[in-house]
Amino acid sequence: GAGVSQSPSNKVTEKGKDVELRCDPISGHTALYWYRQSLGQGLEFLIYFQGNSAPDKSGLPSDRFSAERTGGSVSTLTIQRTQQEDSAVYLCASSLAVGGGGETQYFGPGTRLLVL
Amino acid sequence: GQQLNQSPQSMFIQEGEDVSMNCTSSSIFNTWLWYKQDPGEGPVLLIALYKAGELTSNGRLTAQFGITRKDSFLNISASIPSDVGIYFCAGATMNRDDKIIFGKGTRLHILP
Repeated sequence: GAGVSQSPSNKVTEKGKDVELRCDPISGHTALYWYRQSLGQGLEFLIYFQGNSAPDKSGLPSDRFSAERTGGSVSTLTIQRTQQEDSAVYLCASSLAVGGGGETQYFGPGTRLLVL
Repeated sequence: GQQLNQSPQSMFIQEGEDVSMNCTSSSIFNTWLWYKQDPGEGPVLLIALYKAGELTSNGRLTAQFGITRKDSFLNISASIPSDVGIYFCAGATMNRDDKIIFGKGTRLHILP
């Protein structure tokens, strides 16, 4: 597709369950980013990938959060044993490169996660 | 780590008014980006700036890359209801390995 896509668009889950969020970046973009956004708030950086490797995982809130990227394309963000405070919009973005002029990020529509 | 200071945090204006918001940093940036996020959507790129002093317009939007390379502003002229949303600035340093960083956003509200 032409843009970044994310699935599901909405997810309601029970506390303690695991969830998996998916991101399809723009074709040819080597860098992929995950952000979390609480209602009406700014963007909280979680993790980014350069190819399949994740040079910066500094934003992951706890060890319940993990992400992987395979084939330099699709990425999944997994949240284990979800808690109510995990409820937020999870945004994915991709860019041609991390820096060097190709760093402009393009965002997907987000996955709205609600943990009951 | 590097931080962007974006202000104001929120604005309440009347339709038709002009709007101005800005971002400052203690670091020198070589790219400034401005995004807008509509309610329920992901941020969308409005304007990208790559050169110090650059002034770029996109319709009613005008953005400038500060001469010091440490600041940028975004102006919206003659605001309309669809301008409502959150505006984010973002900046990238000279380091090829540094990811861009985002400001905390300016929430624009238009009063009826």
